[in-house]
Amino acid sequence: GAVVSQHPSWVICKSGTSVKIECRSLDFQATTMFWYRQFPKQSLMLMATSNEGSKATYEQGVEKDKFLINHASLTLSTLTVTSAHPEDSSFYICSAPLASRDIQYFGAGTRLSVL
Amino acid sequence: GQQLNQSPQSMFIQEGEDVSMNCTSSSIFNTWLWYKQDPGEGPVLLIALYKAGELTSNGRLTAQFGITRKDSFLNISASIPSDVGIYFCAGPINPGSNYKLTFGKGTLLTVNP
Repeated sequence: GAVVSQHPSWVICKSGTSVKIECRSLDFQATTMFWYRQFPKQSLMLMATSNEGSKATYEQGVEKDKFLINHASLTLSTLTVTSAHPEDSSFYICSAPLASRDIQYFGAGTRLSVL
Repeated sequence: GQQLNQSPQSMFIQEGEDVSMNCTSSSIFNTWLWYKQDPGEGPVLLIALYKAGELTSNGRLTAQFGITRKDSFLNISASIPSDVGIYFCAGPINPGSNYKLTFGKGTLLTVNP
């Protein structure tokens, strides 16, 4: 079945550094991918829609300069958390829709810890 | 935007018991999705429903798309310890438009062996 690969699964970084998270659709193409943030014991919060070949669409309240999204190919989207601070520590999850079935497949998530 | 009301928020059951959870919406959905999330992992699709009244099974899991298109339920029969996790319902915010999903708040399931 359709698989979405997300890397890394866990990252620890110092405050002020930038972290890049990759999301790949392994056996299907995705012109659109989604990035979510999840706080403990809460549901997924959509951060932005990644669009292949064009700018990402950010949800209200999400800083586009803080969370840089690049969708350079039909199988890869990246999220870069710039100048990370402890409050950016969270669980980040990507997803890609399988258009033929109107569903989304999710990556395994990335646990970001900013010291 | 469309809101999904998922209940119950949490359940504590004994192994072997059956479980039922549901989602309701004030708006009509054309697709209902049920996901399970294990701790530290991304959500995994369990069942997708596409037609009002549709009843679909996946092993011990059964989900139904409500006739009104405003609700769906998920049943788990004969629960086992590995059923532990958070179950989310989801549906497309704007059907046919860029596949954005809206999620219920989740049902946390704990199974006591």
